[in-house]
Amino acid sequence: AQSVTQLGSHVSVSEGALVLLRCNYSSSVPPYLFWYVQYPNQGLQLLLKYTSAATLVKGINGFEAEFKKSETSFHLTKPSAHMSDAAEYFCAVSNQAGTALIFGKGTTLSVSS
Amino acid sequence: NAGVTQTPKFQVLKTGQSMTLQCAQDMNHEYMSWYRQDPGMGLRLIHYSVGAGITDQGEVPNGYNVSRSTTEDFPLRLLSAAPSQTSVYFCASKIVAGDRSYEQYFGPGTRLTVT
Repeated sequence: AQSVTQLGSHVSVSEGALVLLRCNYSSSVPPYLFWYVQYPNQGLQLLLKYTSAATLVKGINGFEAEFKKSETSFHLTKPSAHMSDAAEYFCAVSNQAGTALIFGKGTTLSVSS
Repeated sequence: NAGVTQTPKFQVLKTGQSMTLQCAQDMNHEYMSWYRQDPGMGLRLIHYSVGAGITDQGEVPNGYNVSRSTTEDFPLRLLSAAPSQTSVYFCASKIVAGDRSYEQYFGPGTRLTVT
């Protein structure tokens, strides 16, 4: 069965600093991995996805993630944080049948000026 | 396209009351699903459907019923609401085949409180 672990429920950075949100997955088959962002009182927006093509995936708003099979990781990064990046971020893996997303518990990103 | 729409945005129920959360999509997606979001728990799948007349259970189906009579609509029914069903409910949809078949599109959510 697939599962996702997000390390750190809350990450705080200064504006302009590197953003690193950690995600480790467990999957018995090649995974399909996703990062979603949720702004306050809104739905989920897809940031980026890994579907077995390039291991470095670029998404919207300057975010990217690298799939590392040897480490079973799919960490999300952004070189320079902006105040507007403050939100909750979810890592997710698709089940093998493609009928469900299994989500991590989420990481809240705070950005200070 | 309006995408995935949900009504109502907010609802307060008393224990034992029933209600239906509405979800509609105008993207002709075969797959639709319902998730609930609870603090510190991420999102968990309640029910899903891969087409009209076809539904199946997810991780947390107890207390919820669904049906799918059209491609566009996928309502979620709470027959007898309980405080444990206080949550934010998200509907999502996607295609079932092709390059983007694993990418789900989420609605804005319904915030439900059961007292």
